[in-house]
Amino acid sequence: QVQLMESGGGVVQPGRSLRLSCAASGFTFTNYAMHWVRQAPGKGLEWVAVVGFDGSNNYYADSVKGRFTISRDNSRNTLYLQMNSLRVEDAAVYFCAREEIVGPTTPLHYWGQGTLVAVSS
Amino acid sequence: SSELTQDPAVSVALGQTVRITCQGDSLGRFYANWYRQKPGQAPILVIYGENNRPSGIPDRFSGSSSGNTASLTISGAQAEDEADYYCNSRDSSGNRRVFGGGTKLTVL
Repeated sequence: QVQLMESGGGVVQPGRSLRLSCAASGFTFTNYAMHWVRQAPGKGLEWVAVVGFDGSNNYYADSVKGRFTISRDNSRNTLYLQMNSLRVEDAAVYFCAREEIVGPTTPLHYWGQGTLVAVSS
Repeated sequence: SSELTQDPAVSVALGQTVRITCQGDSLGRFYANWYRQKPGQAPILVIYGENNRPSGIPDRFSGSSSGNTASLTISGAQAEDEADYYCNSRDSSGNRRVFGGGTKLTVL
C-alpha cells in the first residue's frame, strides 16, 4: 500500500536551517509529482511547494519562495524540503502528499502523517 | 486572485443535508478538490474533480460547481462527519496550489 513517512522535524532557532524528508513506498515514485503542505498550530492547511516527477517544474508559495527548496531523489524514493532562514511563522506540521492526475484535476490523494517543526529562540 | 474563501463554520442536524462552499477566481478555470481532516490526523481526500469520490468515501458526499463557486454536499450527515473541510485547487497561474481557509462542520 502507498506509504509516505516524513522525518526531520524538530526545534530550530529563527534564521537557522532544517531539512525535511519524506520516504515513499508502495508505488512507483518516479511517476508522481509530490507536494509539501503545512499546518500551523490551530490553523488551516497551507500549500508550500510542488516538485515534478522528474525533479523539474518546481513551484512555491510566496511565503516560502527564495527560502525553501523542494527536491527529490528518485533513486531513494525520497522527497525533501530544505528550509533556510526559518521564521517563527514557519512553525507547523509539515505533510508530504502525492499528486494524482485524474483527468482535468490533480488532487492530493495520499498524505503522510506529518512532522512537526518548531521555530523558537 | 490566488485565494479560496470558505465559511469558517457550519452546523447541521444529524441526518440532514449540508453544503459547504468554496469561492475563488481560479475555480472558473480549475476544479476544486475537497479534504476532510479530524483533529490530530492527516487530511483525507473526499471529493475530486467534477464530482468523484475516492474508494472508501461514502456516497453521501458529493461535489458540484457553478461559476467561481465549488460546493461539497453531505446528504444525511453522520456524527463521524464532524471535522474540518478544506477545498483546494490551482491558483490563477495554474502552476501553484492553494487551499481554502477551512470550514469546521459541527453535527448537532
